Amino acid sequence: AQTVTQSQPEMSVQEAETVTLSCTYDTSENNYYLFWYKQPPSRQMILVIRQEAYKQQNATENRFSVNFQKAAKSFSLKISDSQLGDTAMYFCAFITYATGNTPLVFGKGTRLSVIA
Amino acid sequence: DAGVTQSPTHLIKTRGQQVTLRCSPKSGHDTVSWYQQALGQGPQFIFQYYEEEERQRGNFPDRFSGHQFPNYSSELNVNALLLGDSALYLCASSLLLDSSGNTIYFGEGSWLTVV
Repeated sequence: AQTVTQSQPEMSVQEAETVTLSCTYDTSENNYYLFWYKQPPSRQMILVIRQEAYKQQNATENRFSVNFQKAAKSFSLKISDSQLGDTAMYFCAFITYATGNTPLVFGKGTRLSVIA
Repeated sequence: DAGVTQSPTHLIKTRGQQVTLRCSPKSGHDTVSWYQQALGQGPQFIFQYYEEEERQRGNFPDRFSGHQFPNYSSELNVNALLLGDSALYLCASSLLLDSSGNTIYFGEGSWLTVV
């Protein structure tokens, strides 16, 4: 079975501080991509950051970075210099590409609140 | 360039009724996937359409059906609605040949409430 576990249902962080959201996943495939999506109250899923499993280097996108531990099947998201606009649901997800365009497998999400 | 558009935004239906949700993919995309997101949960994959055929299907009953048109737009139909079908229904479009997930775009979803 392919699963994603996000063990933190809710988190909060002070503005300008750093926060880390946890994610573990399970798949028997060796080739896959990992994602963090942000879902604000507008409900649209917005891609935050993407990691290729065959790359050891951790992905970074401005204030967002990941800690990818393939052996442990762990994929955490670090948000630096948190801003009020970062308040949203965050979902960890992956796709495998053994057979082409496979569907995303999502976790249950972490609700992040950034406090002024 | 319009992104993924979904309609309607909100709707309320009665148990036992049928509903149709619509999705127009991002320009240039050929694949449409539908997800169900219950309150407080992550999205769950319903099915995926490519070249007007259902290509993959998640663990959903036959009450859930779909269609893709020649212009790549898609419909999700749910028959015999249950209270448990109340959820946000998300449409995602992509390119089939892109297995990296780099071209996946989501719409804003359709909120379905079954009473």
